[in-house]
Amino acid sequence: AQTVTQSQPEMSVQEAETVTLSCTYDTSESDYYLFWYKQPPSRQMILVIRQEAYKQQNATENRFSVNFQKAAKSFSLKISDSQLGDAAMYFCAYIGGGSEKLVFGKGTKLTVNP
Amino acid sequence: NAGVTQTPKFQVLKTGQSMTLQCAQDMNHEYMSWYRQDPGMGLRLIHYSVGAGITDQGEVPNGYNVSRSTTEDFPLRLLSAAPSQTSVYFCASSYSRQSYNEQFFGPGTRLTVL
Repeated sequence: AQTVTQSQPEMSVQEAETVTLSCTYDTSESDYYLFWYKQPPSRQMILVIRQEAYKQQNATENRFSVNFQKAAKSFSLKISDSQLGDAAMYFCAYIGGGSEKLVFGKGTKLTVNP
Repeated sequence: NAGVTQTPKFQVLKTGQSMTLQCAQDMNHEYMSWYRQDPGMGLRLIHYSVGAGITDQGEVPNGYNVSRSTTEDFPLRLLSAAPSQTSVYFCASSYSRQSYNEQFFGPGTRLTVL
């Protein structure tokens, strides 16, 4: 079974600085998709960024970017110019191509210090 | 569009009671799913549906029933609540069963079983 591991239960960053959240996954498939979801204190799950495994180029969405290392099965999220509103739980998620089942990591709680 | 709606937002049950968590979406999404979120566990898939009349089990289906009689609605039933079912429950939907599609989440239901 596919697994997703987030090794950092908690991280903190100073406002305006950069932070990287780690995620590794285990799969034998070649076709799959990876996601980062943000969950602020409001509890709402929000998609931050998505990466297709067949694309070599790392996905970027404004201040959010990923470092996708397919051979190492690593999918880290970099947040640049951190803002107070970035404080949240961040979940890494995996879904295999053709699967209907999204598998989540246990999450990383990000604190942004003013 | 209201997106994905869930009712109730909060619920307290006694052991052995039954209840139904409601989920509805107005985006004509084909795929719907239920997750539970427990501290330190991330989100785990309970049941999912790829269309009206079709449901299947996820990672943690025991103690829960679902049905999908319409495209819009996907209720989750607890037939005999147990304290182990104390959790936050999220409903999600996506345009189709294709893996790359973003899943849109409802606001969640916090359930406490005494």
